[in-house]
Amino acid sequence: GAGVSQSPRYKVAKRGQDVALRCDPISGHVSLFWYQQALGQGPEFLTYFQNEAQLDKSGLPSDRFFAERPEGSVSTLKIQRTQQEDSAVYLCASSRTGVQNTEAFFGQGTRLTVV
Amino acid sequence: RKEVEQDPGPFNVPEGATVAFNCTYSNSASQSFFWYRQDCRKEPKLLMSVYSSGNEDGRFTAQLNRASQYISLLIRDSKLSDSATYLCVVITGGYQKVTFGTGTKLQVIP
Repeated sequence: GAGVSQSPRYKVAKRGQDVALRCDPISGHVSLFWYQQALGQGPEFLTYFQNEAQLDKSGLPSDRFFAERPEGSVSTLKIQRTQQEDSAVYLCASSRTGVQNTEAFFGQGTRLTVV
Repeated sequence: RKEVEQDPGPFNVPEGATVAFNCTYSNSASQSFFWYRQDCRKEPKLLMSVYSSGNEDGRFTAQLNRASQYISLLIRDSKLSDSATYLCVVITGGYQKVTFGTGTKLQVIP
């Protein structure tokens, strides 16, 4: 597709359940970012990939969060043993790398609700 | 201290008013700056880039002050459709890490 695609759009998980969120970036985009956005807050950085390499995972809030991008295109964010505080919108963005003033394009996000 | 800080607002302004938002950043090595707009329950979308010389796009003017490490967004002749959250974005580092501010909420009132 032409834009960044995320699935599912909405996910309700029972506390303790594992979830997997998928991101399909724009074709050819080298950089991929995951953000967590709580209600009324700006997006908070979680992790960054350059192709298949995870160059920065400093924003992952705990070891329950894991992200991968094995072939340098599609990425999956996995949350194990979900907690209520994990409820948020998870945004994925992609951009070209190495170009000044490069725009980041966002997917529509996955709204995760942990009950 | 957060890397990128904004006044969360809300800014409630009448139609036709001029409104300005500031955003400060802590990393002096930051390279690129943007304003994104986010409508309720939607993803952020690029509004405009911010250049050192300042830039204007219709009713919107963006400016960068590297010495004081802040960027600004000025909206003239506010429209109801301008109601949204405006996110300041700073790009830093060799791989161009994208960092967002918390956003400033604007509500334009009829």
